[in-house]
Amino acid sequence: SAVISQKPSRDICQRGTSLTIQCQVDSQVTMMFWYRQQPGQSLTLIATANQGSEATYESGFVIDKFPISRPNLTFSTLTVSNMSPEDSSIYLCSGTGQGVYNEQFFGPGTRLTVL
Amino acid sequence: AQSVTQLDSQVPVFEEAPVELRCNYSSSVSVYLFWYVQYPNQGLQLLLKYLSGSTLVKGINGFEAEFNKSQTSFHLRKPSVHISDTAEYFCAVNTGGFKTIFGAGTRLFVKA
Repeated sequence: SAVISQKPSRDICQRGTSLTIQCQVDSQVTMMFWYRQQPGQSLTLIATANQGSEATYESGFVIDKFPISRPNLTFSTLTVSNMSPEDSSIYLCSGTGQGVYNEQFFGPGTRLTVL
Repeated sequence: AQSVTQLDSQVPVFEEAPVELRCNYSSSVSVYLFWYVQYPNQGLQLLLKYLSGSTLVKGINGFEAEFNKSQTSFHLRKPSVHISDTAEYFCAVNTGGFKTIFGAGTRLFVKA
């Protein structure tokens, strides 16, 4: 299994600013993902974080708004840029562990409130 | 394309009663099926998974699920729930790629 940590756990930000969320895995994972979970709703995949190359974004999400980095197999960051109140959500980092095909491990999430 | 439908958005139940959370999926190919649980203010954690073999899968905390290919269902059950089982439960499907599709979630509320 893999243990995933995220920083910060929560933040309150002003409109127009940016926040970078860090995700650290305690072991190598094959794939890393970033999700958004709005209150009372399911997970929406933002993008797949690719090691050493540009992330693969889902429909409705763009790199200018959600730049993602993954410099190695155990670390990734998601930036929420030029925030508006509509970006208030929980952001979850996830990874698939080697040898445990298709099971995903999740971080505890970052609860973001934009004023 | 695959999809997942969780038929109940909320399920209230009394403590020590049995519970079933329903999940149906749609896919034209073989699937891997999962149930995840999310406790308040936490990330998701795996309850159980079906990859192949026996259609009855046992997971953590006394939960089990049965894969029914003909009905394209993967319902989650527990014979006797506890207050601590109060959480959001997500059914998920994967067809062998790296993307997993999650259902909308079912909120289980266990009452004393």
